Amino acid sequence: DQQVKQNSPSLSVQEGRISILNCDYTNSMFDYFLWYKKYPAEGPTFLISISSIKDKNEDGRFTVFLNKSAKHLSLHIVPSQPGDSAVYFCAASDRGATNKLIFGTGTLLAVQP
Amino acid sequence: GAGVSQSPSNKVTEKGKDVELRCDPISGHTALYWYRQSLGQGLEFLIYFQGNSAPDKSGLPSDRFSAERTGGSVSTLTIQRTQQEDSAVYLCASSFEAHNEQFFGPGTRLTVL
Repeated sequence: DQQVKQNSPSLSVQEGRISILNCDYTNSMFDYFLWYKKYPAEGPTFLISISSIKDKNEDGRFTVFLNKSAKHLSLHIVPSQPGDSAVYFCAASDRGATNKLIFGTGTLLAVQP
Repeated sequence: GAGVSQSPSNKVTEKGKDVELRCDPISGHTALYWYRQSLGQGLEFLIYFQGNSAPDKSGLPSDRFSAERTGGSVSTLTIQRTQQEDSAVYLCASSFEAHNEQFFGPGTRLTVL
């Protein structure tokens, strides 16, 4: 039972354009959502998060949008840069418990120069 | 400052052998998590430590898997009688407390022949 889903295994975007990565979840108990970025042979690096009491959080070029009614969140990167090329994981947790993260399967973003 | 470290970075073993994977969390972090990433999959939660106790072991896939944490610091994940399906990247993460951002180590790539 995949509680967090990233239906696009890959995405290719031109440098300077917007990258939009999508994520869907099924568990209504999730109240905290995160995006991690992962380069090959490295551990995931935290990018940005959002609490369920918000619908948007922005940090520089990165913005996360949360639509609770649709159980959907998205990560927008604008403008996209070649250094953004990596695998992006969406994760969710129920912070009332152990804060263990439930991850999606990831989306490989390729930003073309 | 020093991040989360894991050793070994790579481990190749024969089916049926036991392996030990080590995690050194960030100093002062009380919460420690083990995850694994199998080929083409997202990260899968294994176990959570708060201090030296493990209040959530729900992700351990079988009784061949065990983990301990000593001195509120170093953790060891042990896999007994390894099977080929245990092949994966095993990732450790730590956080200051259970409800803070998790910082990941680089992982141990385990290959069971």
